[in-house]
Amino acid sequence: AQKITQTQPGMFVQEKEAVTLDCTYDTSDPSYGLFWYKQPSSGEMIFLIYQGSYDQQNATEGRYSLNFQKARKSANLVISASQLGDSAMYFCAMREVNQAGTALIFGKGTTLSVSS
Amino acid sequence: DGGITQSPKYLFRKEGQNVTLSCEQNLNHDAMYWYRQDPGQGLRLIYYSQIVNDFQKGDIAEGYSVSREKKESFPLTVTSAQKNPTAFYLCASSIAHLTGPNQPQHFGDGTRLSIL
Repeated sequence: AQKITQTQPGMFVQEKEAVTLDCTYDTSDPSYGLFWYKQPSSGEMIFLIYQGSYDQQNATEGRYSLNFQKARKSANLVISASQLGDSAMYFCAMREVNQAGTALIFGKGTTLSVSS
Repeated sequence: DGGITQSPKYLFRKEGQNVTLSCEQNLNHDAMYWYRQDPGQGLRLIYYSQIVNDFQKGDIAEGYSVSREKKESFPLTVTSAQKNPTAFYLCASSIAHLTGPNQPQHFGDGTRLSIL
């Protein structure tokens, strides 16, 4: 079973509108972290935002916020006031704290296209 | 300027040839990782290393080898045993897991490997 599921292969939004990118996860570990990364067409991975499983409040970083619903195991990324430069692929990833390996587990990504 | 440097940016491999992808970091991170990304897909873990002179296989280690002789360096060799090596390879590093489970991984700009 997939540990990270991103069900939207592509999303389209107009400039200045808000957009939500979905992410659901599967883990039995009570302690875990969730990350969102942005990958422009040039290929580099840019860290956007982090949410810990014990964090009481939803994470925010500038125009990015994370809608964390623990009971539903979802960690959706909300981008407010979209800009043309937001056009990229977005990946949700998880780290299970109690696992020996510390690498991130990635979803398959959502391609966001922002139009003027 | 601290960061991760991957080289070369583009690499071509002939049949039966081994090639080595370089990854160097000056972030003083203990942990380093190699991921493979196929078109339209998420990242899959090849190998990771938590400390110098130690490394572990990831989900798709077959046909690859690594070494970690220095903290700053984690080269990846794509051997002739890897029958489908065409992909985008990303190297990452992070603070050691146990001291910073919420720390993001920092990525290099990647190497695109193609078969001649």
